[in-house]
Amino acid sequence: KAGVTQTPRYLIKTRGQQVTLSCSPISGHRSVSWYQQTPGQGLQFLFEYFSETQRNKGNFPGRFSGRQFSNSRSEMNVSTLELGDSALYLCASSSRLRETQYFGPGTRLLVL
Amino acid sequence: GQQVMQIPQYQHVQEGEDFTTYCNSSTTLSNIQWYKQRPGGHPVFLIQLVKSGEVKKQKRLTFQFGEAKKNSSLHITATQTTDVGTYFCAGYYNQGGKLIFGQGTELSVKP
Repeated sequence: KAGVTQTPRYLIKTRGQQVTLSCSPISGHRSVSWYQQTPGQGLQFLFEYFSETQRNKGNFPGRFSGRQFSNSRSEMNVSTLELGDSALYLCASSSRLRETQYFGPGTRLLVL
Repeated sequence: GQQVMQIPQYQHVQEGEDFTTYCNSSTTLSNIQWYKQRPGGHPVFLIQLVKSGEVKKQKRLTFQFGEAKKNSSLHITATQTTDVGTYFCAGYYNQGGKLIFGQGTELSVKP
């Protein structure tokens, strides 16, 4: 089976812009979670989707949003980018909620 | 809030030495998972522990889940250069569905 794929892999944006990141889960997986990874804060949970419904949300401002489509693919959007949003954004899929997470390679976002 | 504390943050060992990282939670965990992230890579699942007092082994790696399901450890015997990376524990709590990650322990191995 193909692994989790994320696009784009690298992104440079400027403050105030918005960005959309995409994640395709492993075939058959219905749960997709998003994490932000920074050197200072480690891996922080953003949100989790299952069957197109947001099941859990982390402690991030409303500028961070996401959605899941009927084919389980997911997108996350960050509006009004800030310098502190520079991070590696990881997507992970699992077959069910609260199961083993299979991570994608991540999207490295740099905000200038 | 729900937090998983992991220590040490860094560990430098000579090849062949043992290595241990510890995770601690103030409240009971439903289960705990361990992940390894190589430099420049993404976290890769190693194992999941569910039962109180559970011990699992994978070759040179030994994973333990505490009796109270509040702490866990990963022990590597006779480290090799291929063990280099950051090891994360991550737990689910009974009350919520979020997977909470520890800060990770970065292991470097000197040949």
